[in-house]
This record gives sequence, structure tokens and C-alpha cells, in this order.
Amino acid sequence: EAQVTQNPRYLITVTGKKLTVTCSQNMNHEYMSWYRQDPGLGLRQIYYSMNVEVTDKGDVPEGYKVSRKEKRNFPLILESPSPNQTSLYFCASSLGGIGGDTQYFGPGTRLTVL
Amino acid sequence: AQTVTQSQPEMSVQEAETVTLSCTYDTSESDYYLFWYKQPPSRQMILVIRQEAYKQQNATENRFSVNFQKAAKSFSLKISDSQLGDAAMYFCAYRSYGNEKLTFGTGTRLTIIP
Repeated sequence: EAQVTQNPRYLITVTGKKLTVTCSQNMNHEYMSWYRQDPGLGLRQIYYSMNVEVTDKGDVPEGYKVSRKEKRNFPLILESPSPNQTSLYFCASSLGGIGGDTQYFGPGTRLTVL
Repeated sequence: AQTVTQSQPEMSVQEAETVTLSCTYDTSESDYYLFWYKQPPSRQMILVIRQEAYKQQNATENRFSVNFQKAAKSFSLKISDSQLGDAAMYFCAYRSYGNEKLTFGTGTRLTIIP
């Protein structure tokens, strides 16, 4: 089954404790992206990757890091989480290119930073 | 930069009736894509319908259809014969031609009244 998976689905942590949210897709997609969703703001892009070893900032990259060492995986790293990073996070992937391909979303990760 | 506006934070409709959700966007581009995503309580992002800007014909998917007015930069979603399972948050999204990034509106929460 074609899918995007994220782990963990729920995470409660404390300020300053490094964490990683994993994202994996099994569709051989080139493009992957991270969004955060906050009430009243919709979804905003954090980082994206056009292919292996190619990443770039989205609209709200501060406080986040990403890496793309394998095509299928695109982890989101919070090296020193703060309470303002409490949010719902989505990973998404698509084939890439200019074809207007549909983006597939993971199930979301609810992060709370105390 | 592109912006997407959903001016109705909440809407409600009687079961089996028709409801229209509004979306406007701002862009200087001529080629782009527009999407409606549904987010039920499970938080999963589900693609409802998509529209290519170069197509004059409005997209339709079963009970869901759009009214795409390119000159007015308007992209409304019509849900016919509303069902209880349609209750969700609905997001309008914009994507440039040749760019995978999605720009989302702030969402409209749709309630179905039995």
C-alpha cells in the first residue's frame, strides 16, 4: 500500500531535549516536505527536499533541521525544542517535477513541548 | 508571494443539503494548481479535488465540485447531498506550476446537522 508514515504519532517532551520525528514514504517520490499546522494559521511549510542531499527552507524553518540521506526518509530534527514548537506536524511527498502531482500526507505527529 | 484566504472559519449545513465553501487567492502567475483538502477528526489530510488553472472546465468528483473563476481568483467548493461523514476541516491550497510547495488557507470547519 502506498503510504507516508510518521513516528511518533504523539510526543510530549520538555524544553531543550533534542528530538527527531521520522518520515518515510514507499512510493519512490523525489519530493518530500514538512508542514506544521497551528489553529487559525493553516499549514505552513517548514523544509522541503527535491531529492537526496537536496534540501531547502520553507516559510517557517527557524528551530528545525532536516536531512535527506535516503530517498525514502526525511526526518525532522528539533535540536532544542521550545514551547512555541508545540504543533501538529505533517510530512508529505510527491513524485516531483512540473506535472502537478498530488502530494500524499502522513498521518501527523502531535508534539507538545513543556 | 502567493496567499490563500478562506473567509469562513465555520459553516454548518443540514444533512442532504448543499453547501459552498469559499476560497480566494492572490497570485501574479498564470499557471498553477488549486486543491481542496479535507481533514476529519482523525487529522489525516485527504485530497478532495484539484483544479489546473489552464483548464476552463470546473473539476468534479462525485458530490464535490468547484467553481473556478480565474479572473476573480476564486475557487469555491460545493458539496451536494451533504453527509455526516463530510464533517471536517476543509483547506484550500495553492501550488505554483513547477513548484511542489503548497500554500494553504486557514481552513473552514464544516458541521453537518442531522
